[in-house]
Amino acid sequence: GIQVEQSPPDLILQEGANSTLRCNFSDSVNNLQWFHQNPWGQLINLFYIPSGTKQNGRLSATTVATERYSLLYISSSQTTDSGVYFCAVHTGTASKLTFGTGTRLQVTL
Amino acid sequence: DAGITQSPRHKVTETGTPVTLRCHQTENHRYMYWYRQDPGHGLRLIHYSYGVKDTDKGEVSDGYSVSRSKTEDFLLTLESATSSQTSVYFCAISRGSGNTIYFGEGSWLTVV
Repeated sequence: GIQVEQSPPDLILQEGANSTLRCNFSDSVNNLQWFHQNPWGQLINLFYIPSGTKQNGRLSATTVATERYSLLYISSSQTTDSGVYFCAVHTGTASKLTFGTGTRLQVTL
Repeated sequence: DAGITQSPRHKVTETGTPVTLRCHQTENHRYMYWYRQDPGHGLRLIHYSYGVKDTDKGEVSDGYSVSRSKTEDFLLTLESATSSQTSVYFCAISRGSGNTIYFGEGSWLTVV
């Protein structure tokens, strides 16, 4: 099956700093989504982005499908950005997503 | 809010007992999913449903069964719970362009 690798596995930032999280995948995909899991375990969908660039406030994402990677940018990080960020992909029609193992982000004061 | 409710939210059970987790949605979505989350593995798909009585296996389906007799409810059953099934279980639905996934709040299951 498709392999999804995320880097870095762990990241510690001071509040106000910017960061880039990367997601590499091993095959062509027709769906890519980014999620944030907060420290209480809640999973929030951030972006559906199979290709191109999207922005939502301080977050933006870019997927280069032909090169099989996606990037999640967090600008002016806040403590509420802490948690784990997952990317997930699928190649079929039923949204059977395959998840990466995540990037754990800690934002400190 | 995708209108997803999971129950129970927390459960401790003994090895060998049957356990059923319920996922209820209020928005009539066709696709529903059960995932489990474990340290070092991220989220892995157990089973999914694409309609009433239409279900299929995911990548970690052994030891689990599912049923969907109504659009709004998707049940996950552990016929005989084992310690390896101690996990956090998430139900999800997909909707909108790109079948965007939305998760419930999770069910913490401990098998002792």
